[in-house]
Amino acid sequence: NAGVTQTPKFQVLKTGQSMTLQCAQDMNHNSMYWYRQDPGMGLRLIYYSASEGTTDKGEVPNGYNVSRLNKREFSLRLESAAPSQTSVYFCASSGTSGRAVSSYEQYFGPGTRLTVT
Amino acid sequence: GNSVTQMEGPVTLSEEAFLTINCTYTATGYPSLFWYVQYPGEGLQLLLKATKADDKGSNKGFEATYRKETTSFHLEKGSVQVSDSAVYFCALRLYSSSASKIIFGSGTRLSIRP
Repeated sequence: NAGVTQTPKFQVLKTGQSMTLQCAQDMNHNSMYWYRQDPGMGLRLIYYSASEGTTDKGEVPNGYNVSRLNKREFSLRLESAAPSQTSVYFCASSGTSGRAVSSYEQYFGPGTRLTVT
Repeated sequence: GNSVTQMEGPVTLSEEAFLTINCTYTATGYPSLFWYVQYPGEGLQLLLKATKADDKGSNKGFEATYRKETTSFHLEKGSVQVSDSAVYFCALRLYSSSASKIIFGSGTRLSIRP
């Protein structure tokens, strides 16, 4: 049981290049999330997917697109990378969209460190 | 709007010292409150949580009490260890019919000296 996995762990891009960050979870969770973490700013939500087939914008969606490929996988795409997108990206998942307290907990992957030059 | 404000770091303590990391929140409705911990090179892990006023969350010797009157959820530990060195995030969740969206504070880096 691997939990939440992310690939790659590190990536360096040139301005204008594109790439896709991959995320997968094996906990049968309905909801998945993409965050970015910048120094002194905590985690900010980029996009989320409440359930398979749905995606919604978070706090900082500009410059990103997402795909909920199936229940397990949620990818984040940078179409034209910019230096402002240099950050650590975390994927997370949670149990359900219902009211159960246990469903509130988000489980995080190990992160992808992205540098855009 | 909804937000979380936590004590700025870094915080450096000696082993066995008492720890307090302050956290206050602004929220409409009745949020659930969390502390997450991030060890070097890893993702965030849930440390403890509280879902209603006066609840106390506890785990691994850490405690935090949900104080509605002061809108606070301060993290405490009586005797810290070197292994507690990490970044700590206070967070809140508002009920949403669509997903478990969480709002995080900016994080407090804690370093413990042997």
